[in-house]
Amino acid sequence: QKEVEQDPGPLSVPEGAIVSLNCTYSNSAFQYFMWYRQYSRKGPELLMYTYSSGNKEDGRFTAQVDKSSKYISLFIRDSQPSDSATYLCAMSADSSASKIIFGSGTRLSIRP
Amino acid sequence: NAGVTQTPKFQVLKTGQSMTLQCAQDMNHEYMSWYRQDPGMGLRLIHYSVGAGITDQGEVPNGYNVSRSTTEDFPLRLLSAAPSQTSVYFCASRGGIYGYTFGSGTRLTVV
Repeated sequence: QKEVEQDPGPLSVPEGAIVSLNCTYSNSAFQYFMWYRQYSRKGPELLMYTYSSGNKEDGRFTAQVDKSSKYISLFIRDSQPSDSATYLCAMSADSSASKIIFGSGTRLSIRP
Repeated sequence: NAGVTQTPKFQVLKTGQSMTLQCAQDMNHEYMSWYRQDPGMGLRLIHYSVGAGITDQGEVPNGYNVSRSTTEDFPLRLLSAAPSQTSVYFCASRGGIYGYTFGSGTRLTVV
């Protein structure tokens, strides 16, 4: 069993829809949670990060962590075609983040 | 532009050949790492370095060597290429706890 599980998709939704992307994990020591966005043939870029449980909002993006369920989510409101990319969750147990474990990524497509 | 620069962008190797993937960053970051990305497998950590002269193994280190003689450079060496090493390789550096900056990747095919 992988430490981090992520539905690979692909996920296709119409423009303006609310998108929910999710990951589950098995290591209860994880405390630092991140979401990266990766456009085709590019390197991943950090989108959001959170520490421990709770919500964090940044514009149209909301990251949510439920440590009791070992479940994290990324919500995208008013989705745009430019949001079409692969989204990777990532997490780490230590603050130095020397070993960050990534999910396999969910490919998202926003239809105009 | 400031960031992480990887060379080459594409490479085809024959089984048994060796090569070095180059990675350089100009942000004065202490932490650098190498990942490989395969379909359905996500990003897997190969090796990482917390500063010049210090390196450590990640999740999938076999068949790869690294060294860190300067803060700026972190090359990845394939000792004897195998088809299982066909992948996309990303170098990343970190200036803060969360702020990974990734390079644009090297697409390697071993035939």
